[in-house]
Amino acid sequence: DTEVTQTPKHLVMGMTNKKSLKCEQHMGHRAMYWYKQKAKKPPELMFVYSYEKLSINESVPSRFSPECPNSSLLNLHLHALQPEDSALYLCASSQGEGGEQYFGPGTRLTVT
Amino acid sequence: GQNIDQPTEMTATEGAIVQINCTYQTSGFNGLFWYQQHAGEAPTFLSYNVLDGLEEKGRFSSFLSRSKGYSYLLLKELQMKDSASYLCAVKGDYKLSFGAGTTVTVRA
Repeated sequence: DTEVTQTPKHLVMGMTNKKSLKCEQHMGHRAMYWYKQKAKKPPELMFVYSYEKLSINESVPSRFSPECPNSSLLNLHLHALQPEDSALYLCASSQGEGGEQYFGPGTRLTVT
Repeated sequence: GQNIDQPTEMTATEGAIVQINCTYQTSGFNGLFWYQQHAGEAPTFLSYNVLDGLEEKGRFSSFLSRSKGYSYLLLKELQMKDSASYLCAVKGDYKLSFGAGTTVTVRA
């Protein structure tokens, strides 16, 4: 299994809502990542988890809250988002922090 | 800081060869990756270079010169399905940083 899965594929939420994005991999990878990608822009790193511990937070606003319940799962909890947070949210995983990253299909988020 | 430059767009004919250049200035270097991304889809891994030289993988090859801060991705025998954005990404001291991507359009 060389797949990273993400749910949901699409999400529309209001600025007062609370929602969560989910990511799962069964490749035995020990590093997992959240990226944000705006249209026609490259992915921007948000968070890195290594061995289930948060190792990098790229100064992301607290309205985004990551969680790694176990080595296969990564969540991103969303609360009080702004319309400018609308983007494609990509999850990725790699064997270790330095290896090639495998990306999930992404969740397209629209904040209204 | 990180500075990764690649051309915005390239157009080529089916069956031809296209070379996408990438120059970088980063704090630390721990490898250079190329990813392909079709519109609305996730990036997929194409190649990885950490030592100088050419890595060949089927129709795709990637070259690295660390002293020049330069890499290229060579796409041979272009097919229509190769129309996509190609992202150069550099692993610096602690994270992977992406260039803005090169949109390649393959024409019949």
